[in-house]
Amino acid sequence: QITLKESGPTLVKPTQTLTLTCTFSGFSLRTSGVRVGWIRQPPGKALEWLALIYWDDDKRYSPSLKSRLTITKDTSKNQVVLTMTNMDPVDTATYYCTHNSPWFGETHWGQGTLVTVSS
Amino acid sequence: DIVVTQSPDSLAVSLGERATINCKSSQTVLYSSNNKNYLAWYQQKPGQPPKLLIYWASTRESGVPDRFSGSGSGTDFTLTISSLQAEDVAVYYCQQYYDTPYSFGQGTKLEIK
Repeated sequence: QITLKESGPTLVKPTQTLTLTCTFSGFSLRTSGVRVGWIRQPPGKALEWLALIYWDDDKRYSPSLKSRLTITKDTSKNQVVLTMTNMDPVDTATYYCTHNSPWFGETHWGQGTLVTVSS
Repeated sequence: DIVVTQSPDSLAVSLGERATINCKSSQTVLYSSNNKNYLAWYQQKPGQPPKLLIYWASTRESGVPDRFSGSGSGTDFTLTISSLQAEDVAVYYCQQYYDTPYSFGQGTKLEIK
């Protein structure tokens, strides 16, 4: 059974760096083909794809946010970390991590964590 | 980058009636080597994360009721709910996962008329 859970601060100040951790179980990022992604959703708005990390440490980013995002993995801890620099109030959103399948899409989602950017 | 556009933005349908949501991608999402469309549909209920309903444009995820069906190929796709139930009230998103950056449509809010 695959589960994912996001953790991190609920409130960050403008210009600060956000660090979110996704802790998962039921699969391993050592397994060929496995990927973990991050997606966000501002309140009342649509889903926005952010980043993806592959089992072989390949990484993909949203072009519009690429300069601000870094995705890393710690396979020993079953964790994926997303950092986003220079946070702005427009980055206020629920951030989800997902188990991504190259064949089926985002098959499993965490519950999400709401991050508010405010001074 | 592939842009995905859904229509309509919102939809009100009577219980037991058919609901149809459209999704269009700016480029084909049909992978020629396996003839699969890399297009998924998700359902999001209030306060919950999205849930995968359909992948490969027309394959239902395990446990998804058969009143949900997907169709289309290339750049034009449709999600159909054949007989709307009260529990189907949600926002529905399509997503292309043919190429990164993977992209979502803007969502379609489905309500009961």
